[in-house]
Amino acid sequence: DIVMTQSPDSLAVSLGERATINCKSSQSVLYTSNNKNYLAWYQLKPQEPPRLLIYWASTRVSGVPDRFRGSGSGTDFTLTITNVQADDVAVYYCQQYHRTPTFGQGTRLEIK
Amino acid sequence: QVKLQESGPGLVKPSETLSLICTVSGASVSDFYWSWIRRSPGEGLEWLGSISNTGNTKYNPSFESRVTISPDTTKNQLSLKLMSVTTADTAIYYCARGLDLFEYWGQGSRVLVSS
Repeated sequence: DIVMTQSPDSLAVSLGERATINCKSSQSVLYTSNNKNYLAWYQLKPQEPPRLLIYWASTRVSGVPDRFRGSGSGTDFTLTITNVQADDVAVYYCQQYHRTPTFGQGTRLEIK
Repeated sequence: QVKLQESGPGLVKPSETLSLICTVSGASVSDFYWSWIRRSPGEGLEWLGSISNTGNTKYNPSFESRVTISPDTTKNQLSLKLMSVTTADTAIYYCARGLDLFEYWGQGSRVLVSS
């Protein structure tokens, strides 16, 4: 299995500031034949269905604010949330779909 | 608008079989891939397996000996069966649309394994 490791486990940022969440895979999730990174980001909030935010490492799902940005390639990826809002409080997970799907352990975002 | 709703017993005894249903609206189970994923305190999010629009299944090797996913096209539902459960199977169980990238999810069904 490809092991996904996120950092930090939790972070607290002030409203309007930037949050950065990192995700590292134990092997590359870049498929060289199509130059796509098989990496997605999800947002989990209590009492709500999990929400797919980003796929192919940097493609935002329709309706996701452009404050959410995914970047990275190969084994190192980042989810950046700019101008953090109260509604962004959630646990964020990265997931690779290059092989049998596996998820990171999650990063909890709180407001300072 | 695609909606998924999981349902089933909230309490299962050790060694028994966990059975859940996912009711889908806004899409046909015959037209897409569907998956079951769980979130447990100890293991985080784990993909259990998927079923295709033609009924072909693919399971996580870690669960392959104990898990069965099947469709009921007449009711537009999916089912999950997990046999021989232990306390480690205590989790929130989600159904989701997709084979390995999960576009829509249900709210989840909380299952406690306890005697």
